[in-house]
Amino acid sequence: ETGVTQTPRHLVMGMTNKKSLKCEQHLGHNAMYWYKQSAKKPLELMFVYSLEERVENNSVPSRFSPECPNSSHLFLHLHTLQPEDSALYLCASSQGTGFDQPQHFGDGTRLSIL
Amino acid sequence: KQEVTQIPAALSVPEGENLVLNCSFTDSAIYNLQWFRQDPGKGLTSLLLIQSSQREQTSGRLNASLDKSSGRSTLYIAASQPGDSATYLCAVPSGGYNKLIFGAGTRLAVHP
Repeated sequence: ETGVTQTPRHLVMGMTNKKSLKCEQHLGHNAMYWYKQSAKKPLELMFVYSLEERVENNSVPSRFSPECPNSSHLFLHLHTLQPEDSALYLCASSQGTGFDQPQHFGDGTRLSIL
Repeated sequence: KQEVTQIPAALSVPEGENLVLNCSFTDSAIYNLQWFRQDPGKGLTSLLLIQSSQREQTSGRLNASLDKSSGRSTLYIAASQPGDSATYLCAVPSGGYNKLIFGAGTRLAVHP
């Protein structure tokens, strides 16, 4: 496989469930990102990991918990979500976090909260 | 605080037309600007990246220009085709750690 792969592609969960989104990159990059794309707002950054260390948390509620066990994998653990959390969650990776490093995106996980 | 705006929000044209999509940003001190394409239910595909020192970049039928002083970028699509139907997003890095600030996108429909 090449590029950035996200699983599952679709997820429906109740507000009291706990689930995790997975992202895997096969590009040899060392920085990974979570973005949220909801219907009524522009795509917005949630978290940035560089060399497996979280370096940016863009004021994301604690019901979203990221994890980066190694440079190829990124998870987003979800618990007690709200209906407004329904959105497309996109993962991206890049070689370093410099502004000159283009980000490569996965196809996203479409999350629906009942 | 950097803000990115895209006009128009939606565009529907017949096949063969030449198109102009607009992107504006409030802080002209940008490092680069990137144009992406997003197909329905899919992730983002990078189309063009323009460095702040450049005025334009070309890839096939796509041409992107950048005017930093006026805070604007334009994506020009020549001889549009139905396969060009998608949402086009522009983004600039801002703050630390390659944080991309996106516009809301232009949803393009090219009909035969």
